[in-house]
Amino acid sequence: GAVVSQHPSRVICKSGTSVKIECRSLDFQATTMFWYRQFPKQSLMLMATSNEGSKATYEQGVEKDKFLINHASLTLSTLTVTSAHPEDSSFYICSAFDPQQGRIGEAFFGQGTRLTVV
Amino acid sequence: GENVEQHPSTLSVQEGDSAVIKCTYSDSASNYFPWYKQELGKRPQLIIDIRSNVGEKKDQRIAVTLNKTAKHFSLHITETQPEDSAVYFCAASKTSYDKVIFGPGTSLSVIP
Repeated sequence: GAVVSQHPSRVICKSGTSVKIECRSLDFQATTMFWYRQFPKQSLMLMATSNEGSKATYEQGVEKDKFLINHASLTLSTLTVTSAHPEDSSFYICSAFDPQQGRIGEAFFGQGTRLTVV
Repeated sequence: GENVEQHPSTLSVQEGDSAVIKCTYSDSASNYFPWYKQELGKRPQLIIDIRSNVGEKKDQRIAVTLNKTAKHFSLHITETQPEDSAVYFCAASKTSYDKVIFGPGTSLSVIP
């Protein structure tokens, strides 16, 4: 199936700093990518839809100024957690679709990024 | 927006027994219902999916049923094995390539 890669897989940062997470589609182009956050023993909560060449669409309750999303190319979306706080510590995971691969409608997920804010 | 509920939150079965996980959704416009298996610290993996024009689908030991009228769908795993132990998520979306809304998850433990 299609490959979606996230970087870094793990990051530790200090409170108040910003962290950038990259999501790449390695063998296909993705006009749309999705960003999720998963707290321990909880579900994946959709944060936003990343649209190539336009502004991201944020889910209700997600601060767009805190979670900056940029989708400047058809293979790369970035999520920047600004002024990170310990409560932002979580597992962040992206997904994308490639209609040319996999089952019809299958979403391909990145391996996730474990963010720890100290 | 869409809201997906899932029961039970935890499920423990003996190896060889069957496991059933049930979900409900709220948005009647949802038409695509994937099921994911997630192992600790890993990405979700699609195990089976069903569309609204189908009532049941089976793939070896896994089957899904959908009752669109009642907005219910279920996952059935037969002849469970220890390697089936994981967290299972049901999900819903309006179309095959739309944003996916996840249920809260079911932690399945298969006891050898």
